[in-house]
Amino acid sequence: GENVEQHPSTLSVQEGDSAVIKCTYSDSASNYFPWYKQELGKGPQLIIDIRSNVGEKKDQRIAVTLNKTAKHFSLHITETQPEDSAVYFCAASFYFGSGTKLNVKP
Amino acid sequence: DAGVIQSPRHEVTEMGQEVTLRCKPISGHNSLFWYRQTMMRGLELLIYFNNNVPIDDSGMPEDRFSAKMPNASFSTLKIQPSEPRDSAVYFCASSQGGGARGTGELFFGEGSRLTVL
Repeated sequence: GENVEQHPSTLSVQEGDSAVIKCTYSDSASNYFPWYKQELGKGPQLIIDIRSNVGEKKDQRIAVTLNKTAKHFSLHITETQPEDSAVYFCAASFYFGSGTKLNVKP
Repeated sequence: DAGVIQSPRHEVTEMGQEVTLRCKPISGHNSLFWYRQTMMRGLELLIYFNNNVPIDDSGMPEDRFSAKMPNASFSTLKIQPSEPRDSAVYFCASSQGGGARGTGELFFGEGSRLTVL
């Protein structure tokens, strides 16, 4: 199956700074790349996704980029807020990366 | 919409006992997924169904694990016999648009936390 790698595993930023999480995937046939946010005690929830025919997508403070040639994609969160603190997962279709614990310090 | 419903939310059992986890997907969704989450291994895909048929069960750890989907509104994940290393949070998720290249958002339940003593 697909192999998704995600970095970093933990990320600590100051409120207002930007946060970047990077992922790579192995199967060149993958064409759907969602990002999920998981808060404590809950299941992951989709925050943004990108399909292979698009290189970049933005939704307010969140943006994702996709490089199909290099098989990597990234999540960018700008102007981080304490409520952004959570675990973030990238995925290729329904195969998940290992997660990034983001801590936004007030 | 009620969302994906999982039961039980918490289960504590003794090694060797049978455990059955249940999931009701969102009505109209044709794909259902079982995941296991641990600190060490992250979010592992165990098995997924499309139109009630198991498509890929390569993530099922061993023969002690089995999953069924007798109809579009119900699925079970069974562990028999359970072992302490099975302790984890088990998530069920459903989606529209499955098949080999799932391209739809996954909607997760709140998970079943299993502790095997």
